[in-house]
Amino acid sequence: QKEVEQNSGPLSVPEGAIASLNCTYSDRGSQSFFWYRQYSGKSPELIMSIYSNGDKEDGRFTAQLNKASQYVSLLIRDSQPSDSATYLCAGSRAGAGSYQLTFGKGTKLSVIP
Amino acid sequence: NAGVTQTPKFQVLKTGQSMTLQCAQDMNHNSMYWYRQDPGMGLRLIYYSASEGTTDKGEVPNGYNVSRLNKREFSLRLESAAPSQTSVYFCASSEVRGTGGRETQYFGPGTRLLVL
Repeated sequence: QKEVEQNSGPLSVPEGAIASLNCTYSDRGSQSFFWYRQYSGKSPELIMSIYSNGDKEDGRFTAQLNKASQYVSLLIRDSQPSDSATYLCAGSRAGAGSYQLTFGKGTKLSVIP
Repeated sequence: NAGVTQTPKFQVLKTGQSMTLQCAQDMNHNSMYWYRQDPGMGLRLIYYSASEGTTDKGEVPNGYNVSRLNKREFSLRLESAAPSQTSVYFCASSEVRGTGGRETQYFGPGTRLLVL
C-alpha cells in the first residue's frame, strides 16, 4: 500500500521561529508533492507544490524534496499565530486517466505568541 | 466564481437511510474527487472521475456510489448509511495538464455527516 507518513505532532514553536514539518513516502512512482494547510473545521488549502529535487521558496514557505531519500519537508520562517493549523503532505501518482493524491495524516502546528 | 460547492453542509441520518451528497465546480475542471476525513486517518479517496462519463474507485469505495452528472457535477450516494460512514466528506476538482500530476486539487467546504 502506498503511504505518506507524517509526525502527527502537535508541533509547538514560538512566534517568529522556524517551523519544520517533515514527510516521507513509500511510493517511488509518486511524481509531484503538495503541502496543504487545513484550519480546524475548514477544507484543505494548497500552500506549496514541488516537483523536482531541491528547494522551492514562496514567501515565508520553503518546500524541500529529496526523491532518493523519499523525503519532503516544509519550512515556515517567521512563524505567526495565524500559521497554527494542520499541515497535510500529499504525493501524486497516475491513476486511470487522472492523478490521485495520497495524503499523510497531517501534522498539527501550534505557534505560541 | 464560487470554486467548488457542496450541499448539504451538515446532515444527520439514521442507520439504513440513504442520501446523496452534491458537489459542483465552476472552474471547468475535468477531474473530480470525493474524499472522507476521519480523526487520525487523514484524507482518504472514495471515488474519482477523470472526465465526464467516467468514474473509478479509490481507496475506500465500499458502501458508496457516485455519478458524474456532467462536467460540473459529481454526486456521492450512500444507499444504506452505517455509523462507520460518520465522517466529513470533501469534494475536490482539478484540471489535468500534461504528465507528472502537477495539477492542483481544489477542495469544497465539506459536508459533515453523522449516522446514528
